Amino acid sequence: GQSLEQPSEVTAVEGAIVQINCTYQTSGFYGLSWYQQHDGGAPTFLSYNALDGLEETGRFSSFLSRSDSYGYLLLQELQMKDSASYFCAPGRDDKIIFGKGTRLHILP
Amino acid sequence: NAGVMQNPRHLVRRRGQEARLRCSPMKGHSHVYWYRQLPEEGLKFMVYLQKENIIDESGMPKERFSAEFPKEGPSILRIQQVVRGDSAAYFCASSARTDTQYFGPGTRLTVL
Repeated sequence: GQSLEQPSEVTAVEGAIVQINCTYQTSGFYGLSWYQQHDGGAPTFLSYNALDGLEETGRFSSFLSRSDSYGYLLLQELQMKDSASYFCAPGRDDKIIFGKGTRLHILP
Repeated sequence: NAGVMQNPRHLVRRRGQEARLRCSPMKGHSHVYWYRQLPEEGLKFMVYLQKENIIDESGMPKERFSAEFPKEGPSILRIQQVVRGDSAAYFCASSARTDTQYFGPGTRLTVL
């Protein structure tokens, strides 16, 4: 079967750190992408993990454990502009699977 | 280097009309994907195309919807005889390989 789970909403305080978890189950898996989407905007690519471990890009880091079918996105030094939806997107065969995403609320 | 371009950005159609959405991929990208997004929902895969070929259309409704990516020109998503339920944001994405996809700004279709 195929499944994708991430929390529907997360709330954090400006300046803090937040982790958005993702578990997936899909055949033909080849990597995990993360996308950010602001209200009314288009999804924007954040990071991609093909191998196990941590990938760091500025304030954002993404982690993958293929054996656990698990990944997370870590956002540090949160800013108000980080308020958005974040999509965990496992790649399988010839396409990427998107779920409903996690809505991140940032409190001042 | 221009990103993925979509037009129109907003499209209003009456029930029964045709909607034609265009997507020009990033330069050097030969893979094009179309997604539909309803309010407060995730992105639903519709179709994956390469030049002159439909690779995967498993997410396309069986009727009224079609897509093409000709040798020359943009990819086109065509919706015939639109109904109110077709109102959504339609995003196009392109990639050089089947991993990282880059999205266009989307077309917001409203069916009256």
